[in-house]
Amino acid sequence: GENVEQHPSTLSVQEGDSAVIKCTYSDSASNYFPWYKQELGKRPQLIIDIRSNVGEKKDQRIAVTLNKTAKHFSLHITETQPEDSAVYFCAASVPGRRALTFGSGTRLQVQP
Amino acid sequence: EPEVTQTPSHQVTQMGQEVILRCVPISNHLYFYWYRQILGQKVEFLVSFYNNEISEKSEIFDDQFSVERPDGSNFTLKIRSTKLEDSAMYFCASKIGEGPLHFGNGTRLTVT
Repeated sequence: GENVEQHPSTLSVQEGDSAVIKCTYSDSASNYFPWYKQELGKRPQLIIDIRSNVGEKKDQRIAVTLNKTAKHFSLHITETQPEDSAVYFCAASVPGRRALTFGSGTRLQVQP
Repeated sequence: EPEVTQTPSHQVTQMGQEVILRCVPISNHLYFYWYRQILGQKVEFLVSFYNNEISEKSEIFDDQFSVERPDGSNFTLKIRSTKLEDSAMYFCASKIGEGPLHFGNGTRLTVT
């Protein structure tokens, strides 16, 4: 089955700096790659997603890039703010198998 | 914005007891899921449900687990004989077709 690796496990940045989180996936048939933000004790919330027919997608300070050849995708957060502090999970799914496989998460700490 | 709702928010039970976790997916969604998250770990897929039957399940979803959609709105997860290692946050999620997955706020299950 699909396996998603995520790194780093923890990331500390200064407010205003950029943060990058990277994920790799194993199943070349995967075609959907969402990113979720989870604050302590709360549900995962979708912040951005990308499909395999697109190489990059941006939404304000958040962007995701996808390299299908290398089977990796990344989350980029620019101008980080303290409220960006949370655990971020990447995920992947293949067509037909609609369940998401999640990465192990990255705890982002934005220092004011 | 419509939300996936889960009850109870916290359930404490003794080892060996049966528990039922309840979910009301978003009304026009067609695909329903249960995921679990052991404290501090990643979100793990349990089971998916479509067209009134299980469409996929993981290795975690063994014979002690069952799901049911007893009416047009509720979606339940039953654990027949709970074990200590079943202690986790259980998330219900739903989606419409190829759209994004929406999570509920979760039920924290504590098995003592």
